[in-house]
Amino acid sequence: NAGVTQTPKFQVLKTGQSMTLQCAQDMNHNSMYWYRQDPGMGLRLIYYSASEGTTDKGEVPNGYNVSRLNKREFSLRLESAAPSQTSVYFCASSRTGYNSPLHFGNGTRLTVT
Amino acid sequence: AQKITQTQPGMFVQEKEAVTLDCTYDTSDPSYGLFWYKQPSSGEMIFLIYQGSYDQQNATEGRYSLNFQKARKSANLVISASQLGDSAMYFCAFTGTASKLTFGTGTRLQVTL
Repeated sequence: NAGVTQTPKFQVLKTGQSMTLQCAQDMNHNSMYWYRQDPGMGLRLIYYSASEGTTDKGEVPNGYNVSRLNKREFSLRLESAAPSQTSVYFCASSRTGYNSPLHFGNGTRLTVT
Repeated sequence: AQKITQTQPGMFVQEKEAVTLDCTYDTSDPSYGLFWYKQPSSGEMIFLIYQGSYDQQNATEGRYSLNFQKARKSANLVISASQLGDSAMYFCAFTGTASKLTFGTGTRLQVTL
């Protein structure tokens, strides 16, 4: 009964370092998403994948890349981390369609110094 | 582009009272969905309730109901009989034909004795 699993839960990076946030879902959902949450700004969409093999930019894609490895897994990569990328990152998944709620992972708290 | 607005940064309500959290949206999509999520201090995102644009009746889920006024483009969350455990951030979210969930900036609800 795992739902959406994100790793790691916490991460500290130095400016310029790279890292990949991992996300996996076991609900057989077609769509997967990466959001970032900053104080006072709600959640903002970074990238999403409507189905296996497709990815699209969201509202704030600069500085990030994604890979939909298979139907279950959707990873987010920071190639050269910047302090502005300090945030809480959420992965989510859903069935196809505008009436399908998103199921969220527990988040990754990333600090870039 | 869709826009979703939550104008109340913070709200207080006494235990056992009802409270309304405001949400307005702006879209030209004929089909869309509106969601409310709760984020307690532990950080996880919890789906509460969904309203579709073609739904004739307001959605209800236990103590949560959605006051949907399509002509006014509003989708307010009503929590009846507030409990201390309802203290949290509440996010309104919108998805249209692109199936990308857009979030408002949230309302912090504090339930007092």
